[in-house]
Amino acid sequence: QVHLVQSGAEVTTPGSSVKVSCKSSGGTFSSFPISWARQVPGQGPEWMGGIIPSLGKTTYAQKFQGRVTISADTSTATVYMEVTSLRSEDTAVYYCARPRGSMWSSFAYWGQGTLVTVSS
Amino acid sequence: DIVMTQSPDSLAVSLGERATFNCKSSQSLFDTSNNKNSLAWYQQKPGQPPKLLIYWATTRESGVPDRFSGSGSGTDFTLTISSLQAEDVAVYYCQQYSSTPPMYTFGQGTKLEIK
Repeated sequence: QVHLVQSGAEVTTPGSSVKVSCKSSGGTFSSFPISWARQVPGQGPEWMGGIIPSLGKTTYAQKFQGRVTISADTSTATVYMEVTSLRSEDTAVYYCARPRGSMWSSFAYWGQGTLVTVSS
Repeated sequence: DIVMTQSPDSLAVSLGERATFNCKSSQSLFDTSNNKNSLAWYQQKPGQPPKLLIYWATTRESGVPDRFSGSGSGTDFTLTISSLQAEDVAVYYCQQYSSTPPMYTFGQGTKLEIK
C-alpha cells in the first residue's frame, strides 16, 4: 500500500518562501507522477503541478509557472514543492497526491496535507 | 482551460434516500484514445484529504460501497448515492484529468447534509 507523508505546518511572512516535502513509501516511487494541489478553506482543490521522479520532468499549471518549483530525490523517495514570493492568498492546505498507475490520472493516494499560513 | 461546474452547491437528503450530484465541464472529457471519460469523483470530510470514489466517470474505486455510482459522458456527469448513510455527510468534488499535457481541474464542490 502506498503512503504519502508530508512535512509539518508552516507559518511564514509575506514575500518569503516555503518548501514542503512529501515522502513516499510502499510501491514503486520513481516512475509514478506525483502532483501537488492546494486547497483554500471552503474551496475546491487546485492543481499546481507535478513531477515524474525518475525523469525529473516537471509540469506546472500556468497560474503557478515561475513561482513554484517541484523537485524529487529518488534516493529518499521524497518530492518537494517550493513556493516563492508568498502572499496572504497563498494561505492554504497543500497536498501531494498520485495516481494508482503510471499515467497522469485520478489521485488514488493523498498525503495528509500541510497547512501553510502566510501572515505578517 | 477546462472549467468544472457542480450543482447544487449544497444538498440535504433524508437517510435512506437518494442523493444526486451534477458536474458539467466546459469541454468534452471523452478521450478517443481509450474511449473513456476522464472524470473522477471525490469525497472529502473535514480535516481529511479527498478520497477517490469514482474514476473514468463510472468505475468505482476498490473498497467504495456499491451505493455510490457514476454516470454520464462528454460534458455532463452525475454521482449518485442510492441510499444515504450518516457517514456519507461530506463535500463531494468532481475532477477532470488529462495526460497530454498533464492538467487537472476540480469543481467547486457540493456539500451534502442530512435532512
